[in-house]
Amino acid sequence: AQKITQTQPGMFVQEKEAVTLDCTYDTSDPSYGLFWYKQPSSGEMIFLIYQGSYDQQNATEGRYSLNFQKARKSANLVISASQLGDSAMYFCAMREGRNTGNQFYFGTGTSLTVIP
Amino acid sequence: GAVVSQHPSRVICKSGTSVKIECRSLDFQATTMFWYRQFPKKSLMLMATSNEGSKATYEQGVEKDKFLINHASLTLSTLTVTSAHPEDSSFYICSAPEERLLNSPLHFGNGTRLTVT
Repeated sequence: AQKITQTQPGMFVQEKEAVTLDCTYDTSDPSYGLFWYKQPSSGEMIFLIYQGSYDQQNATEGRYSLNFQKARKSANLVISASQLGDSAMYFCAMREGRNTGNQFYFGTGTSLTVIP
Repeated sequence: GAVVSQHPSRVICKSGTSVKIECRSLDFQATTMFWYRQFPKKSLMLMATSNEGSKATYEQGVEKDKFLINHASLTLSTLTVTSAHPEDSSFYICSAPEERLLNSPLHFGNGTRLTVT
């Protein structure tokens, strides 16, 4: 089974609107961390936001927030007030607590296009 | 924040030659580094895990003799693409976790775009 599933290959959003990028995960480890990364066309991977499995509140970082629904095993990224510079690939990733090899599991990504 | 430097950012080489890509952690020690390959608009494909002072762990289907990985110090890992062929053309990106803590994100280099002619 896929550890991380991103079902939206491509998304469009109007500038200044909010957009939700979906991510579901699969793990039996009670301790895990969830990450979102942004990859612009230039290629660098930019860390956006983190959510821990034991965190009681949804993570927020500026215009980014994470809609964490533990029972559904989903960790959707919400970008508010979209800007043209938000156009990029977005990857959801997970790290398991028992994984001593430090491995991160990545989803297939969502390509977001912000329309002016 | 933690920085990972990757060089070169772009390289064009002729078929049959070898190319070395360097990945350095600039302000932290990285006992583990990950090497990924990425095709356009696709996800990161883990090639191997580089471990300081020991042999790299390769993912299934990745040729060890073709993609040589050396992690000589706590701040440097190198990937050498040997006898490169056009099908090796791709975007290669390295990363390292700053700590083994769950909330420690992976820090990525800026990637290397390899073109084999």
